Amino acid sequence: QQPVQSPQAVILREGEDAVINCSSSKALYSVHWYRQKHGEAPVFLMILLKGGEQKGHEKISASFNEKKQQSSLYLTASQLSYSGTYFCGTEEGGSEKLVFGKGTKLTVNP
Amino acid sequence: KAGVTQTPRYLIKTRGQQVTLSCSPISGHRSVSWYQQTPGQGLQFLFEYFSETQRNKGNFPGRFSGRQFSNSRSEMNVSTLELGDSALYLCATSRQGRNTGELFFGEGSRLTVL
Repeated sequence: QQPVQSPQAVILREGEDAVINCSSSKALYSVHWYRQKHGEAPVFLMILLKGGEQKGHEKISASFNEKKQQSSLYLTASQLSYSGTYFCGTEEGGSEKLVFGKGTKLTVNP
Repeated sequence: KAGVTQTPRYLIKTRGQQVTLSCSPISGHRSVSWYQQTPGQGLQFLFEYFSETQRNKGNFPGRFSGRQFSNSRSEMNVSTLELGDSALYLCATSRQGRNTGELFFGEGSRLTVL
């Protein structure tokens, strides 16, 4: 079951904040976030395990609400280098299979 | 340390042909997963191999197959190519031995089917 990401695209000015959401209709064991810059391979950002754990990576953090099967990625004080497509991947309990959403394209302008 | 290596990087085939793509994982990584990336569908899971055994499979037709060798290198094959198979095929490897640990992606093999 492919998770649903929103918004599909967002345009920011440098220094602004953004939130990217990821939701699933299935009970989740974990949520993973990756960023892919144009023409490059996806790069790992973080993994969140069930339990409402929040993690951070530089100025990028995320939360996971296992009861709602939702995760949110928070980008604060965005930088030009944050531009790219962000993918959430979800693992349903016991599946050991990572299924990615369609991605959210983030553009940060000067 | 060398990253994940995929070959070939680009290839063009015609409908009905078959294609084989190769993935060499990072040293010590034993799990290899394959994904198809298209603009409209994002990253779609094809299959995952660990210790030469397919452990997980996505919802793709039987024309898509794969295998893994004793040195953890993996190949995927697509037979009877269709126009819709045009995509970027990404290989991802994992240190933990589970598909759902941190994945390290290769730069992909871009397949164009004419």
